[in-house]
Amino acid sequence: AQSVTQLDSHVSVSEGTPVLLRCNYSSSYSPSLFWYVQHPNKGLQLLLKYTSAATLVKGINGFEAEFKKSETSFHLTKPSAHMSDAAEYFCVVSESGNTGKLIFGQGTTLQVKP
Amino acid sequence: EAQVTQNPRYLITVTGKKLTVTCSQNMNHEYMSWYRQDPGLGLRQIYYSMNVEVTDKGDVPEGYKVSRKEKRNFPLILESPSPNQTSLYFCASRRAGTSRGTGQETQYFGPGTRLLVL
Repeated sequence: AQSVTQLDSHVSVSEGTPVLLRCNYSSSYSPSLFWYVQHPNKGLQLLLKYTSAATLVKGINGFEAEFKKSETSFHLTKPSAHMSDAAEYFCVVSESGNTGKLIFGQGTTLQVKP
Repeated sequence: EAQVTQNPRYLITVTGKKLTVTCSQNMNHEYMSWYRQDPGLGLRQIYYSMNVEVTDKGDVPEGYKVSRKEKRNFPLILESPSPNQTSLYFCASRRAGTSRGTGQETQYFGPGTRLLVL
């Protein structure tokens, strides 16, 4: 069965410094992986997705993630944090088969300090 | 504008009083799903529907019902709500995709419904 582990429940960075949100996955096949962001009192917005094309995936707002099969990782990065990046981030794997179920990590809260 | 809408956005109710949360999408998506979000647990799937009149249980279906009579609507029904159903609920939809690529399709989420059961 697929699963996702986000290694940090809370990450704090200063504005202008790099962001790294870590995610490991478990899957017996080539997975589809996603990062979603949830701003306070808002819904979920797709940041980026990996679907077995390029291993380095670029998303919105300057975020990118690299799929590393050997490490079963899909870490989210951004070179320079902005105050508006403060939110909760979810790493997600799509279940195999036709259910289309998304399996969510527990979430990482990103705090950006001025 | 392509979107998933949910109503109500906020609801306070009492134990045992039946309620329905509506979900509607305007993207002609075949697949729709309900999730609940609880602190430290991420989102968990309650029910999903692969098309009209086709529904199935997700990971946490107890205490919930759904129906899919029309392609655009997928209401979530709590026949007898209990306090442990206090949560933030999200509806989502996506295209069916191909048989090989179904997992690659992006899911679009509604704004969420915050439910408090007293």
